[in-house]
Amino acid sequence: EDQVTQSPEALRLQEGESSSLNCSYTVSGLRGLFWYRQDPGKGPEFLFTLYSAGEEKEKERLKATLTKKESFLHITAPKPEDSATYLCAVRRVGNQFYFGTGTSLTVIP
Amino acid sequence: NAGVTQTPKFRVLKTGQSMTLLCAQDMNHEYMYWYRQDPGMGLRLIHYSVGEGTTAKGEVPDGYNVSRLKKQNFLLGLESAAPSQTSVYFCASGQGHSDTQYFGPGTRLTVL
Repeated sequence: EDQVTQSPEALRLQEGESSSLNCSYTVSGLRGLFWYRQDPGKGPEFLFTLYSAGEEKEKERLKATLTKKESFLHITAPKPEDSATYLCAVRRVGNQFYFGTGTSLTVIP
Repeated sequence: NAGVTQTPKFRVLKTGQSMTLLCAQDMNHEYMYWYRQDPGMGLRLIHYSVGEGTTAKGEVPDGYNVSRLKKQNFLLGLESAAPSQTSVYFCASGQGHSDTQYFGPGTRLTVL
């Protein structure tokens, strides 16, 4: 069964305290892994797409990596404005997308 | 560019009533999607469309119908609303090959 699991469910960091969010997946025919950011009351905002194991992408304080079974979203020296829920999703062959339940990140000044 | 817009933003229905949610995009995207988001469940795909006049079922299609009569619009219909359909509904669009999905602001639906 196709499944996406994110951990931890919630994470509180001090400003400047780096950490990582995990997304593990089981899916047949992976066509891509996606990271989104979602602020309260808003729709998800696209961050990254990763297609193959070993691939890495960076944007400001965020870096996403991919292995054959999981992806990590590394947050370096986070700021309060990085507080949000981070969603992971996978696309399998065809157009089926499966989302995890997200990690709620709070960065304390 | 407005991006992806959704109408209405909020709605309260009684069990058995019907309604249509409208999604519009101005990015000339081929692909459009409807999701629902429930606490502890994550986003789940209801239906999607890969082009004008086409629709396909997603993970949780039961109780919903969709239509894509114009490329820029994707409608989600509830014929007979049930309390289990209380959720936040998100529409998204994308260019297909790029896989990137652009989401609307959501519609919060409550069925009493």
